[in-house]
Amino acid sequence: EPEVTQTPSHQVTQMGQEVILRCVPISNHLYFYWYRQILGQKVEFLVSFYNNEISEKSEIFDDQFSVERPDGSNFTLKIRSTKLEDSAMYFCASSGTGLAGGNPYEQYFGPGTRLTVT
Amino acid sequence: DAKTTQPPSMDCAEGRAANLPCNHSTISGNEYVYWYRQIHSQGPQYIIHGLKNNETNEMASLIITEDRKSSTLILPHATLRDTAVYYCIARSGGYQKVTFGIGTKLQVIP
Repeated sequence: EPEVTQTPSHQVTQMGQEVILRCVPISNHLYFYWYRQILGQKVEFLVSFYNNEISEKSEIFDDQFSVERPDGSNFTLKIRSTKLEDSAMYFCASSGTGLAGGNPYEQYFGPGTRLTVT
Repeated sequence: DAKTTQPPSMDCAEGRAANLPCNHSTISGNEYVYWYRQIHSQGPQYIIHGLKNNETNEMASLIITEDRKSSTLILPHATLRDTAVYYCIARSGGYQKVTFGIGTKLQVIP
């Protein structure tokens, strides 16, 4: 079964450093998302991306965050200057379009990247 | 998305059916009921969704009341691997963000 993959599985960085979290969505999907989950808290939506642009973003997704689809397979989340409170699990997800591109009703989530900011 | 209410936790004996309730009394006509689960520290996993008819797939069954104000997710023969947090979510489309609540923590007991 196709799956969303994420790298790295764990990233440790110092406060103020830039990090890039990488995701490979399911190949025929066209909708992409990032979510985060601070330890012990709810899964929170960050941003959705379609047709090479952001379609929706939350209040959390401020100017420190950016997303990019640099090629036909990767989807990245960049945090420019990390803060201690950015420590969390970051989940990438993708969904299909229902045409030739997979089930439009499901969002498939990756296993997550644990980001630790020290 | 309409607000959903779930019990914070439930236990179920291994091999028995797990029935997880959800209230969504303000759900609108174009909103589907979705269920996801999250096994400890893993990414959320889609289980099932429905609009007004009962639905069944290889993982679970979804029973939606006729007035659509509540639903029940049924795991017919719970195993230890079904121990997870289960989220009931009302949302109007597959492309939209998923808004997760606190969910129900299901503990399957040997």
